[in-house]
Amino acid sequence: AQRVTQPEKLLSVFKGAPVELKCNYSYSGSPELFWYVQYSRQRLQLLLRHISRESIKGFTADLNKGETSFHLKKPFAQEEDSAMYYCALKGGSNYKLTFGKGTLLTVNP
Amino acid sequence: DVKVTQSSRYLVKRTGEKVFLECVQDMDHENMFWYRQDPGLGLRLIYFSYDVKMKEKGDIPEGYSVSREKKERFSLILESASTNQTSMYLCASSVTGQGNQPQHFGDGTRLSIL
Repeated sequence: AQRVTQPEKLLSVFKGAPVELKCNYSYSGSPELFWYVQYSRQRLQLLLRHISRESIKGFTADLNKGETSFHLKKPFAQEEDSAMYYCALKGGSNYKLTFGKGTLLTVNP
Repeated sequence: DVKVTQSSRYLVKRTGEKVFLECVQDMDHENMFWYRQDPGLGLRLIYFSYDVKMKEKGDIPEGYSVSREKKERFSLILESASTNQTSMYLCASSVTGQGNQPQHFGDGTRLSIL
């Protein structure tokens, strides 16, 4: 079985502060991991995927297989980063995504 | 750009009614998905389809069925709506292929069952 855990329901930081949204997963094989974001009144959209090793809107996420984690980080948070963030896992050839319960990030001015 | 369109943004129905939620994608994607999104529970997969007329149960299929008669359209059916099916419903699609193929989501349908 595959499982994704986002331990924080809510995370509040000030503008300019570093932010880290935690994601831990449980999967016996080699996972594919994603971060999705949903801004207020907008559709859920892909933020980044681990295989691309990219930085999107200043966010990065590194897959740590030893700790089974895929934490999302940004060194300097902006108010426009306020949104709901979901970590998701796809295992093997299965097309299904398993989502975490989400973390609501609020960046205060 | 991928477009996933859900037929209604808001829908209000009564207990016991048969409810249809429609989703259309314009990118010839093989895979389509229905989720419900509830506060504190995240997204939970109801059903998905990897080809026309093919469907598989997700994590919470009870009380729902689906139909995929054409590749671009995936319908979610609430056979006899109940108040605990009040939720935000999200449709998504993805292409089959190598690598991390992301899912593309619609705007969602907020369904209220009275």
